[in-house]
Amino acid sequence: AQKVTQAQTEISVVEKEDVTLDCVYETRDTTYYLFWYKQPPSGELVFLIRRNSFDEQNEISGRYSWNFQKSTSSFNFTITASQVVDSAVYFCALSEANTGTASKLTFGTGTRLQVTL
Amino acid sequence: NAGVTQTPKFRVLKTGQSMTLLCAQDMNHEYMYWYRQDPGMGLRLIHYSVGEGTTAKGEVPDGYNVSRLKKQNFLLGLESAAPSQTSVYFCASSYRGLAGGSSEQFFGPGTRLTVL
Repeated sequence: AQKVTQAQTEISVVEKEDVTLDCVYETRDTTYYLFWYKQPPSGELVFLIRRNSFDEQNEISGRYSWNFQKSTSSFNFTITASQVVDSAVYFCALSEANTGTASKLTFGTGTRLQVTL
Repeated sequence: NAGVTQTPKFRVLKTGQSMTLLCAQDMNHEYMYWYRQDPGMGLRLIHYSVGEGTTAKGEVPDGYNVSRLKKQNFLLGLESAAPSQTSVYFCASSYRGLAGGSSEQFFGPGTRLTVL
């Protein structure tokens, strides 16, 4: 069975601080996908990134960066120079990668990030 | 494009009542999903569909039924609502990737359901 653990329930930082959200996953599949979604106070889910298990390169997108380490089954998310607009609940998710069929997501329980002035 | 839309946005039911949640997507996606979100538990998959006329059970299917009569619509039904079904329900859709597998999922705005 697949499992995603986000051990940090809530994190509070002051604006401009860097913050890292941890994600640890378990799967027996050799091929899988990892995701991060953002859920702002308005409630919708916003897709941030999708990573294939064969691609261990770290990725940077503006102030966001992701560190994928297969050896430790982790897919951590760092926000550099945080801003108040980053305040949200962030979910890490895992899906199998079966060809030609739907990918069912297994979500972590989320990390609530509060960025204050 | 409206993306993924859900109807209604809010609903209050009494125990034993029935209702249907409607999800519609205009992106021509093959795959559609229903999740529920409860405090401290993240999102859990209820049912999903890989195409028109086909549905399958997810992690927490009990007490729910689904139908996908048209490619763009995915309905979630509660035949006899229970307080344990109080939750926020999200619909999502995804497309078949070029190399097989599924793209990222695009989510609707959610439906907040309270069962008294």
